[in-house]
Amino acid sequence: DQQVKQNSPSLSVQEGRISILNCDYTNSMFDYFLWYKKYPAEGPTFLISISSIKDKNEDGRFTVFLNKSAKHLSLHIVSSQPGDSAVYFCAASTRASYGKLTFGQGTILTVHP
Amino acid sequence: ETGVTQTPRHLVMGMTNKKSLKCEQHLGHNAMYWYKQSAKKPLELMFVYSLEERVENNSVPSRFSPECPNSSHLFLHLHTLQPEDSALYLCASSQLGQGIDEQYFGPGTRLTVT
Repeated sequence: DQQVKQNSPSLSVQEGRISILNCDYTNSMFDYFLWYKKYPAEGPTFLISISSIKDKNEDGRFTVFLNKSAKHLSLHIVSSQPGDSAVYFCAASTRASYGKLTFGQGTILTVHP
Repeated sequence: ETGVTQTPRHLVMGMTNKKSLKCEQHLGHNAMYWYKQSAKKPLELMFVYSLEERVENNSVPSRFSPECPNSSHLFLHLHTLQPEDSALYLCASSQLGQGIDEQYFGPGTRLTVT
C-alpha cells in the first residue's frame, strides 16, 4: 500500500511558465511534508517543507500548498527555468517516528527553452 | 569534504561476494539512514540510526547488515546478494529533536549484482 503517491510520472513546461507538481497521501498521521529535487547521478536535494499546522510555505520561486482535508499537497515553481528540469519527490513523515520519510514515486519535470 | 559522501559510487559484485558501502556525513547530525531506490519504485527506507543506535529496521533481509560506529559514519555490509538487490543505495543524515526533519542525501552507490 503506497501511502504517498505522485500520479503524474512526468510534466513538461515552457520556460518562464509555472510548474505545478502534485502529491496525494493516505496516512492521516503524517504531519510534516517535504519536497526533494534529484538530478541524474546525484542524491535528492531538499527543496522546501511544510508542517501540517500550515497550509502554505514559500521560499523564493518555490511554494508548497497543503490541503489536509483532501490529503493533497502541491509544489508550485514560478518562472520555471531549464535548470529546474529534474525528478521531484514528495515525502511525508510523522515527527514522532525518528524522521522516517515515506516517498512518492517522483515526477520528471522538463522545462523547455 | 562537505555534506554527505558515499563510496564507492559504483559497485558490481557477484552473488557470493562480500562488500561494504560506506557513508560519511560532515554536518554534525545525530541520525543517519540507508535507503534503496529500485527502478520505477519510490525510495524505500531500510535502516535508521539515531545517536548510533538502530531505531528502525524496515523488514530488510539479513543479507544487508548495517553498522554505525559513530555519529559520522554508516556502513552497509553486503553478503550473498541476489540480482534483484541491484539498485541505487542512498545514505542520508538529519538532526533529530530540533523540529527540523530535513534529510540530506549523499550521491548514492549504484550496485549491480551479477
